[in-house]
Amino acid sequence: DIVMTQSPDSLPLSLGERATINCRSSQSVLSGSNNEIYLAWYQQKPGQPPRLIIYWASTRASGVPDRFSGSGSGTDFTLTISSLQAEDVAVYYCQQYWYFPYTFGQGTKLEI
Amino acid sequence: EVQLLESGGGLVQPGGSLRLSCAASGFTFGSYAMTWVRQAPGKGLECVSAISASGSTTYYTASVRGRFTISRDNSKNTLYLEMNSLRAEDTAVYYCANGAYSDHPHYSDSWGQGTLVTVSS
Repeated sequence: DIVMTQSPDSLPLSLGERATINCRSSQSVLSGSNNEIYLAWYQQKPGQPPRLIIYWASTRASGVPDRFSGSGSGTDFTLTISSLQAEDVAVYYCQQYWYFPYTFGQGTKLEI
Repeated sequence: EVQLLESGGGLVQPGGSLRLSCAASGFTFGSYAMTWVRQAPGKGLECVSAISASGSTTYYTASVRGRFTISRDNSKNTLYLEMNSLRAEDTAVYYCANGAYSDHPHYSDSWGQGTLVTVSS
């Protein structure tokens, strides 16, 4: 299985600050055939299901504010929130969907 | 609006069985692969099983292979997860999630609210 490792585990910040969450995969999730990166980011608030934020490593999902952005290469990825808002407090997970079992990182808890 | 509604969770003894259902609406169910993702209390997310749009291809994580069976009834817009030989470590909230494509789910942009499965004597 592909192991996904996130850092940090916890990220305390202030409103308006920039948040950077990192994710590393144990093997490349870049397809050589279509040049796509099989990496998604999800946001989960307490008592709620996950919400898709980013897919194909850098494409924002529908309705996601443009302060959220994703980037990365074949094994190293970053989720950035440019200016932290109160509603962004949540746990964030990266997920590879290169092959099954799709695996998630352990989560990063974003706190204010 | 896409809606996914799970049911069938509950308390079961170790070694017991449960069948989860996920009723889908608001999209063309038969055109998309689907997944089951679970989350143990206070823990992270684990993708347990997936199925192609036609139902012809299924996927399982190693810890449930041989014990869980995923299936779908496209005429009823419903996804299922049959769980047998349940263990304490299967205790979790089970989410149904849609896939973005037909053959492989890839990412999921809609999730149900989840159903809690508790395996305990």
